[in-house]
Amino acid sequence: KAGVTQTPRYLIKTRGQQVTLSCSPISGHRSVSWYQQTPGQGLQFLFEYFSETQRNKGNFPGRFSGRQFSNSRSEMNVSTLELGDSALYLCASSSRSAGPNTEAFFGQGTRLTVV
Amino acid sequence: SQKIEQNSEALNIQEGKTATLTCNYTNYSPAYLQWYRQDPGRGPVFLLLIRENEKEKRKERLKVTFDTTLKQSLFHITASQPADSATNHCAPHSGNTPLVFGKGTRLSVIA
Repeated sequence: KAGVTQTPRYLIKTRGQQVTLSCSPISGHRSVSWYQQTPGQGLQFLFEYFSETQRNKGNFPGRFSGRQFSNSRSEMNVSTLELGDSALYLCASSSRSAGPNTEAFFGQGTRLTVV
Repeated sequence: SQKIEQNSEALNIQEGKTATLTCNYTNYSPAYLQWYRQDPGRGPVFLLLIRENEKEKRKERLKVTFDTTLKQSLFHITASQPADSATNHCAPHSGNTPLVFGKGTRLSVIA
């Protein structure tokens, strides 16, 4: 069974640009969550999608957005990039339909560098 | 708002000793608590889930406790090995709330 796949693995963008990151969850998983990880800040929750609907949202500005497609694949977009957006962006999928007490499976992440 | 605190940013321990990591939470009452391990440059990997009525759970050399009165979970690794060196994250949660993590504790086991 293939794991969570995130593309691209590495990305360098310039301030002011926008970026789109992609996440393919484990087959059969309908819940996809996104996290931003920076040194000293840990894993910060961005948003969660379930069956194409945003179910939860973290405390990030509107420049951060996401969506989920009917095949459960998800994308997140960051517009008007700032230097502080440089981080490892992680996607996690889970079988939330099996109940809330299910583990999350993380991808390898996309390392975004804003210059 | 809910707050999760993990006792320290880094913990150094000698090989063979027991490592104990702490996770404290405030302003909510989670029904579950998960622990994850993360190696540098990789995504976190699930280790254990404990329910509020379980008090303690074990898996090989790992032991997790969940004290809902103290609002605290302890994560123990017995007979620690250099391969246990990683950042460990806790995530208390309930129902359909998302998994929100503490900042993590970086464990270094020194041979």
